[in-house]
Amino acid sequence: QITLKESGPTLVKPTQTLTLTCTVSGFSLSTPGVSVGWTRQPPRKALEWLALIYWDDDKRYSPSLQNRLTITKDTSKNQVVVTMTNMDPEDTGTYYCAHRRSDPRTSAYYLEVWGQGTLVIVSS
Amino acid sequence: EVVMTQSPATLSLSPGERATLSCRASQTVNSNLAWFQHKPGQAPRLLIFGASTRATGLPARFSGSGSGTQFTLTISSLQSEDFAVYFCQQYNSWPQTFGQGTKVEIK
Repeated sequence: QITLKESGPTLVKPTQTLTLTCTVSGFSLSTPGVSVGWTRQPPRKALEWLALIYWDDDKRYSPSLQNRLTITKDTSKNQVVVTMTNMDPEDTGTYYCAHRRSDPRTSAYYLEVWGQGTLVIVSS
Repeated sequence: EVVMTQSPATLSLSPGERATLSCRASQTVNSNLAWFQHKPGQAPRLLIFGASTRATGLPARFSGSGSGTQFTLTISSLQSEDFAVYFCQQYNSWPQTFGQGTKVEIK
């Protein structure tokens, strides 16, 4: 059974760097085809993609946030880590990680299993 | 990026009624469209991928249809556990954008 769990600080100050960890189980981050991504949802707004990483360390970032984001993985710890610099109150929201699976008919990746999310509040 | 627009924002229905939710893409996403159910404090749950393929274990009362730019999620007969927020997501192109959600509430 695939599970993901997000962890990190609930409260960060403006200009600080946020580091969130996604601990996964039920699959290996080094298995060919595996991909894990991070999304977030600000209060009363739609979900937004942040970044994703593939088993071969290929990465994708949101075009609007790419200069603030870094995503990495530690296969031995079964963890995917995302850092976001220069946090702002507009970055307040719930942050989710999710396991992505390839649709066999199109080879495109969809979000199959999500973590419960972790709330991040940016305030001084 | 592809803009996903869901309608209506809120759907007020009674248990046993049929729910029809719409999702429109600003450009074609082929059939690379997923639907999710989200309840407060819980992880979003995958319902449909490939526009019409039910996720493992999903009750048959849920169905998805459409391709290109217009998609529909139908719940044939609402059960108490179905009252939640539903959102669509295109995974045809990066960034893989989401709709803003439709809240299905008890009338």
